[in-house]
Amino acid sequence: ILNVEQSPQSLHVQEGDSTNFTCSFPSSNFYALHWYRWETAKSPEALFVMTLNGDEKKKGRISATLNTKEGYSYLYIKGSQPEDSATYLCAFYTGTASKLTFGTGTRLQVTL
Amino acid sequence: NAGVTQTPKFRILKIGQSMTLQCAQDMNHNYMYWYRQDPGMGLKLIYYSVGAGITDKGEVPNGYNVSRSTTEDFPLRLELAAPSQTSVYFCASSYVGQGGEPQHFGDGTRLSIL
Repeated sequence: ILNVEQSPQSLHVQEGDSTNFTCSFPSSNFYALHWYRWETAKSPEALFVMTLNGDEKKKGRISATLNTKEGYSYLYIKGSQPEDSATYLCAFYTGTASKLTFGTGTRLQVTL
Repeated sequence: NAGVTQTPKFRILKIGQSMTLQCAQDMNHNYMYWYRQDPGMGLKLIYYSVGAGITDKGEVPNGYNVSRSTTEDFPLRLELAAPSQTSVYFCASSYVGQGGEPQHFGDGTRLSIL
């Protein structure tokens, strides 16, 4: 059984704060790491798919880094806005059986 | 472009009833997936399909069945509904299944078994 752990479970920040969360995954048999953004009452939406050690991806104020040797990825949000409030999921893929293993997510709430 | 469409959005079933959750995608994706999401838990894979006519079990397949007769459709069937199947169900699809492509999700079906 693969363990994908995300921390913290939840986070409450003020508008304008920058924040980051962690996704930990097994460092062996790595193939890809996905990040999804999941707003309440909507469906998960892909942010990044990362495949190479040292990868850095950016989308607006959101960026992610990947360390496959030590088995972690960081998601950063710069200057948080209320519309960033969502649950951020990471998912790990080992290259077998087409299956992603999801973490339980970090729930972010941004207030004015 | 509709993406992944799930119906119904909500349903209440009695114990022992059966129903089919519908999922359709219009992106010509080969791979399709069914997940369930329980409070405090991550998305758990129920079944997946790598193409028409091919399906395989995920982590939590008991109590469910699937079929994939076309590329577009991937229905999930509950034969004898049990309270443990109360959950939110998500269907997803991807162009390829090697993990290098993101999955596209439907809006979910909220199912309650009473």
